[in-house]
Amino acid sequence: EIVMTQSPATLSVSPGERATLSCRASQSVSSNLAWYQQKPGQAPRLLIYGASTRATGIPARFSGSGSGTEFTLTISSLQSEDFAVYYCQQYNNWSPLTFGGGTKVEIK
Amino acid sequence: QLQLQESGPGLVKPSETLSLTCTVSGGSISGGSYYWGWIRQPPGGGLEWIASVYYSGSTYYNPSLKSRVTISVDTSKNQFSLRLTSVTAADTAMYFCARAGGGYEPFDYWGLGTLVTVSS
Repeated sequence: EIVMTQSPATLSVSPGERATLSCRASQSVSSNLAWYQQKPGQAPRLLIYGASTRATGIPARFSGSGSGTEFTLTISSLQSEDFAVYYCQQYNNWSPLTFGGGTKVEIK
Repeated sequence: QLQLQESGPGLVKPSETLSLTCTVSGGSISGGSYYWGWIRQPPGGGLEWIASVYYSGSTYYNPSLKSRVTISVDTSKNQFSLRLTSVTAADTAMYFCARAGGGYEPFDYWGLGTLVTVSS
């Protein structure tokens, strides 16, 4: 099983500031890495796929980078609606598909 | 716009079988190279992939749950379903159905989720 480790668990950021979230895979997942945003009471929403491609309708302030085992999600200037939990997921290996434990981005 | 909607009992007794259905609207379940899956999230917890199915019926399971899980697709009803046997309190979770765009694609459409509680 590929273990996905996200850090930090909680990130306290002021509106307008930059947020950098990390995701590490226990073995290479190539660029088959997605990021999701989840707000309370809602389903996850796809933000980034292929490690760096924004999904349809996702603002340009969200960007992804990395390949292999190290990945980063950057939110360039946090807006009020961006405070949420963010998950990474690898889809390179189906046995099984795995998610990271999440990073909660909270208001500082 | 593609929509997915989970349905099924919200309360299941321990040792019994959890059965959920996901109804797809706004598109055909067999209309492309899509994989249809179930993901769950315990209260306050993270996301766990359970299983996925291709419209042709090919299935893929999380090894940790494989012995208790069956996923199936009914193209005539535009639905796919999940059965989880011998449930315990540890199976209490929000269950989401979702679509992946292909074999090496993320989940791009999600249902709203349905909360299943295992309790006597």
